[in-house]
Amino acid sequence: AQSVTQPDIHITVSEGASLELRCNYSYGATPYLFWYVQSPGQGLQLLLKYFSGDTLVQGIKGFEAEFKRSQSSFNLRKPSVHWSDAAEYFCAVGADFGNEKLTFGTGTRLTIIP
Amino acid sequence: EPEVTQTPSHQVTQMGQEVILRCVPISNHLYFYWYRQILGQKVEFLVSFYNNEISEKSEIFDDQFSVERPDGSNFTLKIRSTKLEDSAMYFCALGDTNSYEQYFGPGTRLTVT
Repeated sequence: AQSVTQPDIHITVSEGASLELRCNYSYGATPYLFWYVQSPGQGLQLLLKYFSGDTLVQGIKGFEAEFKRSQSSFNLRKPSVHWSDAAEYFCAVGADFGNEKLTFGTGTRLTIIP
Repeated sequence: EPEVTQTPSHQVTQMGQEVILRCVPISNHLYFYWYRQILGQKVEFLVSFYNNEISEKSEIFDDQFSVERPDGSNFTLKIRSTKLEDSAMYFCALGDTNSYEQYFGPGTRLTVT
């Protein structure tokens, strides 16, 4: 069964600083990987995804993520955070035959300080 | 990005009552999903629905739950006899058959008292 681990429950960064949110997955084949963001009281918005090809993927809002098969990781990065990036971030994995259920990690809450 | 609406935004019900949560996709999709998120916890898969049939369900999705597309557009989740532990945010998601992306609705907050 697939699983996702987000080891950081809560991260605080200063506005303008760089950000990296960690995600490790467990899946037998090549996974479909996703990052979603959830603002308070809101639904989930897709930031980016990885299916195949280039292991560095670009998403919306200036985010990027790198797939590292050897480390079973898909970490999310942003070079300079903005106060509006404060939210909950979820990593998710889906099966490699597409349109299957997503398995989510427990999320990382990001706080931005001035 | 496809638009998904969910109604109601908040439902309060008494234990043992039936509730129906609705999902209205604005565009045509073949894949539908329900997920739930208990307050402070991760998002959990409930059920996937393809071509008007359940394609997969989790252990959470027991006999108290059912899904259907009664009129070919709305996608509903019914809980027959709600329990306190059903209190959660319920998200509908649409699956894109080409990109394999899933687009989530804003959610329905269900409170069982």
